[in-house]
Amino acid sequence: DIQMTQSPSSLSASVGDRVTITCRASQGIGDYLAWYQQKQGKVPKLLIYAASTLQSGVPSRFSGSASGTDFTLTISSLQPEDVATYYCQKYNDGLWTFGQGTKVEIK
Amino acid sequence: QVQVVQSGTEVRKPGASLKVSCKASGFSFTGHYMHWVRQAPGQGLEWMGWINPKSGDTNYAPKFQGRVTMTRDTSVSTAYMELSRLTSGDTAVYYCARETGSGSTTRRLDPWGQGTLVTVSS
Repeated sequence: DIQMTQSPSSLSASVGDRVTITCRASQGIGDYLAWYQQKQGKVPKLLIYAASTLQSGVPSRFSGSASGTDFTLTISSLQPEDVATYYCQKYNDGLWTFGQGTKVEIK
Repeated sequence: QVQVVQSGTEVRKPGASLKVSCKASGFSFTGHYMHWVRQAPGQGLEWMGWINPKSGDTNYAPKFQGRVTMTRDTSVSTAYMELSRLTSGDTAVYYCARETGSGSTTRRLDPWGQGTLVTVSS
């Protein structure tokens, strides 16, 4: 089975900072990757799909990119409301595996 | 309004079974796969599987094979997830989510149900 490894597991950054979260697939998955945001006690929310397509209504400070088996979620300017845990999920082969999650906090 | 609404909190004893429902509204139930995801307390998201409401076909994560059964009732636009031989390790919030997307790469899970808290305790 293809494994998804997210890094870091947590980070602390200042408001306005550029934040990058990485998700690495153990095998090629094309662009079959989505990113979700989950705030404490809330339902996960879709941010990005097809590696780089922004879901409607999601702020443009969020972006996704891909390079081989490495995928990146970037928050261009961290805002207080972005405090959450972020998950990648692959869906190329019928098994929709999640990464372990990255917890983002404000410094 | 596109939404999926789940059944309420459940408490079960070890060894018992559990069935959670997920009612769809605002969209064609048979036109979208439905997925189940769970989250143990303080842990990450864990994908359990999907069901094709049109055909009844299912695909389960290897971890849950033999213990999970996903079904649907198209007459009431509702998907069900049944988990058997429960242990304390199955204590979690269980979510259903609609799969959407017009192409293979554009698939994604949206919206999600509100979650169903399941506690397994003797």
